[in-house]
Parts: sequence; C-alpha cells; structure tokens
Amino acid sequence: DAGVIQSPRHEVTEMGQEVTLRCKPISGHNSLFWYRQTMMRGLELLIYFNNNVPIDDSGMPEDRFSAKMPNASFSTLKIQPSEPRDSAVYFCASSLRTGNTEAFFGQGTRLTVV
Amino acid sequence: AQSVTQPDIHITVSEGASLELRCNYSYGATPYLFWYVQSPGQGLQLLLKYFSGDTLVQGIKGFEAEFKRSQSSFNLRKPSVHWSDAAEYFCAVTPYNAGNMLTFGGGTRLMVKP
Repeated sequence: DAGVIQSPRHEVTEMGQEVTLRCKPISGHNSLFWYRQTMMRGLELLIYFNNNVPIDDSGMPEDRFSAKMPNASFSTLKIQPSEPRDSAVYFCASSLRTGNTEAFFGQGTRLTVV
Repeated sequence: AQSVTQPDIHITVSEGASLELRCNYSYGATPYLFWYVQSPGQGLQLLLKYFSGDTLVQGIKGFEAEFKRSQSSFNLRKPSVHWSDAAEYFCAVTPYNAGNMLTFGGGTRLMVKP
C-alpha cells in the first residue's frame, strides 16, 4: 500500500481565499483523522471519522473549518475564508477502528496564508 | 481529559551515547501509548506502541520504551544513538476505547553531535 496520501504537499494562498486539503487513507482502514501542527499549539486533533461518519469534531477551531468524508477512500478539509493564523501543517491519518492498532500518518500539507 | 508532558524540549547527545526521552501522561486508566518520530518536512512514523502485557516494548531502529504505571511514564530509550536519529520525537496517548484519537506531547527535538 502507498500509505496515507495527502495533497497538495504545499499550499500558499491569500487571506480570504478558500483552501481545500485532500486525503486518501490506507485501503481497508475505517478510521480517519485530521491533525494540525503549529509551533504554538503542537499537534492537535481536529476531527475523527469512523466508517465515513464524523464522530468527534470538537477540535475544529471554528466554523470556517469543515471536513467531509464522502466515501471510504477520500476526505477533505476545507477552510473558508482562510486567515493567516491558519498557517500550519495539516496531517491526515488513518487506522483500523477495531483491535490494537496504530494510526498511520500522511506526509502532511504545509499551508501558508498570506 | 488526558494530557501528555514531554519535559525536555531539546536534547543533544553525542553519537554512540545512550538516550532517554521522557514522557509522562495524565489519565484515569491505562491508556494506549505510542512514540512517533518526525524528520524535517516529513510525516510521523511510529517507533513503538504499548497496549497491554509486557511493560518493556521494543520498536524499530533499536528503540525501546518502558511503561511504568506507578510513575505514569513511558520513557523512550536507545543504547547507542546514530546521527540519523536526529529528529523530533512525540509521545502520544489514547484511551483504550477511543480508537486512535491521539493526544500528543509537545515533542522533544534530538540533536546528535558527531
């Protein structure tokens, strides 16, 4: 398996623009997670899907952020409108929900909002 | 809610020296425990995990960690550090019934002197 695939790897956008980050989880995994990494706050869980259903979105910072998982092989994280303080590295991870298993992380998307 | 503390933000060791990275967690029951490593510009790679059983766990790249319930600790060790081990190391926990909703420590950046 190619692992968790995120796109784009880098995104530079202007403040106020819409940004969409994409993730393809490992085939067969039924849990998907979006994390954000910043210098100030470290690694934070934004949202958790299980079987394509959002289970916990308590980490989503505000209404400008939304995430979807239309099917088992694709998820998006959208920011609209974007602000400079959204600049961060966004990671997607996937895992099996059952059993003692670990999460596998993608390479991340580095977002810069200017 | 659970929390994770990595007391050392930066550690510098000489190549060939031993290494111990500290991790303390706060949680009412025994959580699942993980150590991840992140090289610059890369995603997070799992080094090792503890779910139950033997409290000394072996991981990849010669790393090991010991779970000490009485101290709420899960310290990472390596007997002889290689220059390629320079990276940032993250300890993470998740409740046993929460899938992989990880809470991360702030990370420890390891530098290796030749």
